Amino acid sequence: GAVVSQHPSRVICKSGTSVKIECRSLDFQATTMFWYRQFPKKSLMLMATSNEGSKATYEQGVEKDKFLINHASLTLSTLTVTSAHPEDSSFYICSAALSRDTQYFGPGTRLTVL
Amino acid sequence: QKEVEQNSGPLSVPEGAIASLNCTYSDRVSQSFFWYRQYSGKSPELIMSIYSNGDKEDGRFTAQLNKASQYVSLLIRDSQPSDSATYLCAVKPRGGNEKLTFGTGTRLTIIP
Repeated sequence: GAVVSQHPSRVICKSGTSVKIECRSLDFQATTMFWYRQFPKKSLMLMATSNEGSKATYEQGVEKDKFLINHASLTLSTLTVTSAHPEDSSFYICSAALSRDTQYFGPGTRLTVL
Repeated sequence: QKEVEQNSGPLSVPEGAIASLNCTYSDRVSQSFFWYRQYSGKSPELIMSIYSNGDKEDGRFTAQLNKASQYVSLLIRDSQPSDSATYLCAVKPRGGNEKLTFGTGTRLTIIP
């Protein structure tokens, strides 16, 4: 149980394009999902907290107009990187909260912006 | 002071020995503590959660929590080369916000 999927696992795009990443909880309902970014050899950086049916809460320094988050259902949250640039290249990981305490991570999406 | 601190390592342990990973946290009212394992290029995988003072054992893994001293540790018995990974300590404060605070991780290498 507690499986979280992400799609796509890897994406390469041109600078200026937008990329959408999906995060799904496959066997449980998640009222809260989280989006992280991780640069090579660095720790996880929380970008935003996504609650079903409401606006996401962004961490300080994260541009909400650049990283659009939608949590339309209890099993799906999406992150759209708009007008991507090479500095947005990173490993994006979502997690879903099974309970008030425990987060389970998706397998991650590696984004490369050319 | 960082909210959650871990020694970045690398920590090298011979195969079969006990690996000991430590984590300290600054928020005294933290209530929930987690250890995640992350292989290179992969996402974190939950290993253990602990909420009360003392030890919690799960197979070869033992989590230890000492709230008075504000530290949590992870022991890995009979270390295997497959245990080589980065181990992330995560802390959740008291309250309804499920947001976790992660340490920077300790890179563990098990030497065959």
